This record gives sequence, structure tokens and C-alpha cells, in this order.
Amino acid sequence: GDSVTQMEGPVTLSEEAFLTINCTYTATGYPSLFWYVQYPGEGLQLLLKATKADDKGSNKGFEATYRKETTSFHLEKGSVQVSDSAVYFCALSDNAGNNRKLIWGLGTSLAVNP
Amino acid sequence: SQTIHQWPATLVQPVGSPLSLECTVEGTSNPNLYWYRQAAGRGLQLLFYSVGIGQISSEVPQNLSASRPQDRQFILSSKKLLLSDSGFYLCAWALRDRGSLVGYTFGSGTRLTVV
Repeated sequence: GDSVTQMEGPVTLSEEAFLTINCTYTATGYPSLFWYVQYPGEGLQLLLKATKADDKGSNKGFEATYRKETTSFHLEKGSVQVSDSAVYFCALSDNAGNNRKLIWGLGTSLAVNP
Repeated sequence: SQTIHQWPATLVQPVGSPLSLECTVEGTSNPNLYWYRQAAGRGLQLLFYSVGIGQISSEVPQNLSASRPQDRQFILSSKKLLLSDSGFYLCAWALRDRGSLVGYTFGSGTRLTVV
């Protein structure tokens, strides 16, 4: 079945460092790919998404490119801030049958130190 | 506008007590609705999803149940809570574009502690 694999955390960076959180997937068909962010004590918020190969999603300085050849959707940011400390989840849409669910990675915790 | 409400925000319940968490959505009709649990330091576990009134699919067998008495209302229940039911419970609503799933909107979550 479809699955998502994220790099394990926690990831600890200094402010203004470059961030990469790896995400790879296995899927039949052509899923859409998502990154969600969860700030401490809150629900999840959609950060960015891409719906087809070579699409680049971007938001708040974060970017991720849908790479079908490597089945990847790595999250990047050029200069992280303390306020980016959160848990980041990679997900794909389940395109099987009625296309009803998102398949989630386990999440990667990011801590940014001043 | 489309919004999702979830309550209560926090709950402390003794072992063996009942549970009822409620989720409602506004600004849409016939949404797909979901209940997730997030245990401390772990990922998201899909518990139930519903594609319509009275239609519930269970993903994980356990002592929890879900009901959808109205189109925009989704309830998570238990008759007797276990310690292992502690966690962060999230309701979500599926966003669709021309039939394709294009993401979820999540509620703000309920932190449940069973003591």
C-alpha cells in the first residue's frame, strides 16, 4: 500500500541555518503531496502542497518539489527562525478507490535555537 | 467561510469514565470527516472516518466509537476510558477540488489525559 517515510528527528538547528527535512513516498497512481506543520499544543496546519510531478509548493519561506523520479518531496528553508520550531508532517493523498484519506509520515520535530 | 470547531480543548478523566468529544464544521455540506489520535511523541493515527450521516469506517479496533448524527457533526465516544486512551485527538475535514482530495483542515485538538 501507499506509504510515507520521513527522516527521524529531532532536528536541532541554530537560527538562520538551512533546513532540509527528507520525505520519500511509495504510491500507486499519481498522489498529491503535502507538508503540514504542528506548533506546540495546536492542531495541524497545511504548510504547502504539490499536486503533480515537478510542481513546487512554497509558503512562509518553505519549499518542496514533487520529484517523481526519486519519489521524494523534501522540505527546505534557507534560513530558519526560532518561530519555525514545530513538528512537520509529510503526507500524500490516497488515490485508491474513493480517494478518501491522507497517508502520513511519522513527523519530524524541529527545534531552532537563537 | 469554512471553519471547523472541536471541543473541549483539554480534558482530564478517570479510568473507566465515559468520553464524548464533539466536532462540527461550518460552511460546507456533506464533508468527509476524520478523527485522529496523536500519542505523545508519535505520529498521527487515523481512528475513524465518515463520508456521510450514519456512515462510519473504523481504522483501528479499540474501545472508542464514533457517530455522525448530523451532516456536519462528528462525535468520538467511549463507554469506559483506559489509561492508553490518553493523547491528543484531532478532528479533520477533507477538502476537495473536482473530486480529488486536496488536503485536510484540522480542528485545534483535544488534549485528553486519563488518570
